[in-house]
Amino acid sequence: AQSVTQLGSHVSVSEGALVLLRCNYSSSVPPYLFWYVQYPNQGLQLLLKYTTGATLVKGINGFEAEFKKSETSFHLTKPSAHMSDAAEYFCAVSEVGKLQFGAGTQVVVTP
Amino acid sequence: DAMVIQNPRYQVTQFGKPVTLSCSQTLNHNVMYWYQQKSSQAPKLLFHYYDKDFNNEADTPDNFQSRRPNTSFCFLDIRSPGLGDAAMYLCATSRDVLGRVVAGEQFFGPGTRLTVL
Repeated sequence: AQSVTQLGSHVSVSEGALVLLRCNYSSSVPPYLFWYVQYPNQGLQLLLKYTTGATLVKGINGFEAEFKKSETSFHLTKPSAHMSDAAEYFCAVSEVGKLQFGAGTQVVVTP
Repeated sequence: DAMVIQNPRYQVTQFGKPVTLSCSQTLNHNVMYWYQQKSSQAPKLLFHYYDKDFNNEADTPDNFQSRRPNTSFCFLDIRSPGLGDAAMYLCATSRDVLGRVVAGEQFFGPGTRLTVL
C-alpha cells in the first residue's frame, strides 16, 4: 500500500522567507502526488498535482513542488512567505480508488 | 461556479440522536467521498461511492452509513452519535476517467463541523 510521510508537524517561517514543506512517499506504481491546503474550518483546496511529464510543478499562490523519483520525494516550496500562507498543508499520494494523506504540516507565519 | 456544497456547516446533536449530513455537487463527478477529520489530524476516509457502487473502508464503524440517491447528492447518516464522533466531516468528489486504476484530484466541500452534547 502507498504511504506518505510529512516531516515536521509544525513549521514556523518569517514573512518573506522561504517556505519548505517536506513530503516523502512510498508507492509500488508510478504515483500521482498532490499538495492540499486547509484553512481553519474549511475544506481542502488543491495547491498542485503531479501526474506525469514535467517534474517541477507550479501551483496556485506561488507554490511549486518537484517530483524526485530517486528520492521518493515531493517537497513543496514558496520563495517568499505571506501572512495568508498560514494554514495546514497535506501531501497525498494516489491509491486505487482513493488518496492516502500525510499527517499534515501546520505553517505559522511570523511578521 | 461548479462546486461541492455541504449543509449544514455546523451541526449540534445530542448523544445517541441520529443525525444526517448532506453533500451536493454541481461538478457532475462520478465519485463521491466522505471523510472524518479530527483536530490536527489528516482526513480519514469513511467510504466512497463509485457511481452507485458503495465502498466501505474496513475500519469504518457500523454507526456510519451513507446514501447516494443520485449523481448530485450524497448523505452521511450517523445512527447513534457518540462523543468520539465529534469532528469535521468532509465531502469530496472526483471524476474518475482511468477505470479505478488510480485516484485523481479530489474537490472538497467546506465541511460540516459536528458537535455531540
